[in-house]
Amino acid sequence: SQKIEQNSEALNIQEGKTATLTCNYTNYSPAYLQWYRQDPGRGPVFLLLIRENEKEKRKERLKVTFDTTLKQSLFHITASQPADSATYLCAQTDSWGKLQFGAGTQVVVTP
Amino acid sequence: DGGITQSPKYLFRKEGQNVTLSCEQNLNHDAMYWYRQDPGQGLRLIYYSQIVNDFQKGDIAEGYSVSREKKESFPLTVTSAQKNPTAFYLCASSSRTARTVGSQPQHFGDGTRLSIL
Repeated sequence: SQKIEQNSEALNIQEGKTATLTCNYTNYSPAYLQWYRQDPGRGPVFLLLIRENEKEKRKERLKVTFDTTLKQSLFHITASQPADSATYLCAQTDSWGKLQFGAGTQVVVTP
Repeated sequence: DGGITQSPKYLFRKEGQNVTLSCEQNLNHDAMYWYRQDPGQGLRLIYYSQIVNDFQKGDIAEGYSVSREKKESFPLTVTSAQKNPTAFYLCASSSRTARTVGSQPQHFGDGTRLSIL
C-alpha cells in the first residue's frame, strides 16, 4: 500500500538559515502533494500544494519541490525565524480528495 | 470570518458512554472530514462526506459514527465500541468540484482532545 514518510527527528536550526524537510512516498506518484503547518494544540494550516507535473512552487519564504524520480518532495523555509517553529506535515491526495498524511517533522528555530 | 468550529475543546468519556464531537463550518464547503491524531503518528481518516446525506468510512471507522444532515455540520460520535478513544480529533472541510477534486486544500478546526475518565 502507498506510504508517505517524513523524518521523525526534530530539525533544529539557527535563525536566518534555510530549513529543508523531506517527504518520501512509495509506489506511485500522487497527483498532488500538500504541505501543512501545525502548532501545538491547533489544527493544521494549509501552506502549499504542488502538482505531479510541477517541479517547484514558491510562496514568500517557502519553496516546495517534487521529484517523481526520487519519489520525494522537499520543503524549504528560507531565512528562517523563531516564529517558523512548528510541525510541518506533508500529505498526498487521491482522486477523491482524501489526504494521506505523514507523521510530520518538528522544526525548532533558535535566535 | 469563515472557518471551522469544533467543540468542545476538551472532552472526557466514561466507560460505556457514547460522546459526540461537534464540527460546524461556514465556508460553504461540500466535503467534510474527521481525522484522529495520536502522538508520533500522522492524521488518520475516520469518516468523510462529500455531500449532504452521504458519507463514507475512512481507514479507521470502527467504533465511530457520523451524520451529515446539513451542509454546515458533520458531528462525530465516539461509541463505547471504540476501546482506545483517547486522541486529538480534527475536523476539516474542502471545496469540491468535478474538475479539481483532489487538488483542494483542507481547512481544519482546532480540534477536540478526548480523554478517558
